[in-house]
Formats: sequence, C-alpha cells, structure tokens
Amino acid sequence: GAVVSQHPSWVICKSGTSVKIECRSLDFQATTMFWYRQFPKQSLMLMATSNEGSKATYEQGVEKDKFLINHASLTLSTLTVTSAHPEDSSFYICSAMIASTSTDTQYFGPGTRLTVL
Amino acid sequence: DAKTTQPPSMDCAEGRAANLPCNHSTISGNEYVYWYRQIHSQGPQYIIHGLKNNETNEMASLIITEDRKSSTLILPHATLRDTAVYYCIITYFGNEKLTFGTGTRLTIIP
Repeated sequence: GAVVSQHPSWVICKSGTSVKIECRSLDFQATTMFWYRQFPKQSLMLMATSNEGSKATYEQGVEKDKFLINHASLTLSTLTVTSAHPEDSSFYICSAMIASTSTDTQYFGPGTRLTVL
Repeated sequence: DAKTTQPPSMDCAEGRAANLPCNHSTISGNEYVYWYRQIHSQGPQYIIHGLKNNETNEMASLIITEDRKSSTLILPHATLRDTAVYYCIITYFGNEKLTFGTGTRLTIIP
C-alpha cells in the first residue's frame, strides 16, 4: 500500500513552453501533497504544500506564478512549470501524506526528470 | 525543527549489518526521528520513525539513545539494493514539512 505515482517520468521540452506533471496517490486518499525539486548532487528542496480544494502554500523563493499547483482531488495534484527555461531543468518529486492519529508519514513518487532545452 | 549531523558516506559489506548514525543534539521533547532513503534517480522511500523507544519493522531497526540526542538506523543484513542516500530527519508529529539534509551515502560492497 501507500503507492504514489508521477507522470511523466521524464520530459524534454523547448525553452518557453509549459510542462504539466501529475502526482497521484493510488491506494489512499492524501490530505496533503507536496512538491520537491532536486538539482544534481543536491538534496531535496520543498517547493510547495497543497491541500485538496485550497491554494498551495509556496516556500520562500519559489515563484507561485511560475510553478502552478492544482490539487483537484484527494488523489491528484498537478504541477505546471510555465514558460520553462533551462535553469528549471531538475528532478521534480511529489509526496502524499496519510494523516492519522498513529502515523504522519509522507510517501514519495518516483520523480519526474525535466530537461529544458 | 532540530538539525541533524550525518557522516557523508559509509561502506558496508554485503550481508553484514549497516549501522547509520545521526546526531540531533537539539531535538525537543515532542520531535520525532524519521529515516528515509533515496536510491539513485528515484523518489525517497520511507523507512522508519520513532519518538523515544526503539522501533523495528520489516526494513530496519531504529535505536534512539536515552537522552534522544542521537540515533542509529540498522539494516540487519545489507544487500546491494540497499545502496542509497539515507536521510535522518527530525520533525514534529503533525508537522507536514520535511527538511532534507545532505544525508549519508551508503555503499554496499559485494
């Protein structure tokens, strides 16, 4: 159980185009989903937190107009990188959290590697 | 959240126990110790978490010192598939944010 999927697993796009990444919790309902970014040889950095039906909360330094997050349901969140540029090339990872009284654990998707040419 | 200190890298022979240390001397009373690992080019995988008692699951054991200022993750019989970066994270239960440090790069040697 507790499986999170991402689609696509990798994408190559031209500079100036927009890219949408989907994150789905397959066998549970997630109260909260998170988006992280990881540059080569660096650790994961939290970009934003989203709750179903409400606006995402962005971390300091993350442009909310560039990284659009939509959390349409308890099993789906999307991240759209608008007007992508080469510096946006990175590994984007989502996670979903099961909240309960006994555990509060994030489960991560496999990641999406974005390359902007 | 309390900061953590982990060795940057460790090697362990296949089949032996891998013991990964983590120092978290500024941990507060209601902060938990979480361990995740990230295999190359994949998303992180949850391993285990605990508050003050030792914990064990099918993947690993977590030993937390009595003063809670350090902990050790134990992989009892390491395999090549355990080669990964291991992250020790301190956070409040119910705090949604995970702050990933640099972790320990564990290499299992055949």
